[in-house]
Amino acid sequence: DAGVIQSPRHEVTEMGQEVTLRCKPISGHNSLFWYRQTMMRGLELLIYFNNNVPIDDSGMPEDRFSAKMPNASFSTLKIQPSEPRDSAVYFCASSFSAGYTFGSGTRLTVV
Amino acid sequence: KNEVEQSPQNLTAQEGEFITINCSYSVGISALHWLQQHPGGGIVSLFMLSSGKKKHGRLIATINIQEKHSSLHITASHPRDSAVYICAAGNTGNQFYFGTGTSLTVIP
Repeated sequence: DAGVIQSPRHEVTEMGQEVTLRCKPISGHNSLFWYRQTMMRGLELLIYFNNNVPIDDSGMPEDRFSAKMPNASFSTLKIQPSEPRDSAVYFCASSFSAGYTFGSGTRLTVV
Repeated sequence: KNEVEQSPQNLTAQEGEFITINCSYSVGISALHWLQQHPGGGIVSLFMLSSGKKKHGRLIATINIQEKHSSLHITASHPRDSAVYICAAGNTGNQFYFGTGTSLTVIP
């Protein structure tokens, strides 16, 4: 099992550009979560999906952030336009009943 | 006010010592998670528990629902246990409240 796969591992972009982060959950997991981690705020849940349906997006910071899960094997988190304060590590995790598996994260730097 | 409080924030131990990290929460939960994050950033889910105790190798997690308290114990600590340990409280709506983490350093 390859685990939860996130891409890219690192992303450096200029302010105002669109950024798309990608996640492939573990096959058979029916829940998918997007988290953001910063030094100031620690880990924060942004949004989670259950059976590909967004259940709670109250953690999404603002309208510049959007997430989709078009099928059970793929999800994207998009930031448009990006801002320097979006710089963070973004983690994706998937789960089925008990336990979670996290991806390795995408380190985003917006300059 | 933080919904999840962890203690201690930092912990240094000698190899072989028994270690306890504590987590108190103020929200109603469906499950309490313990996460481990090594330098370099990868996060591993260690435990998800809603009652009692779970054990995995040298790691033990306990929870007292009435007292809204959980502990993570590491027996016979080893330098490779050095990491940040994060407690997260999840409610039935799958909202998560994260502790600020405990940074553990185990010295050989």
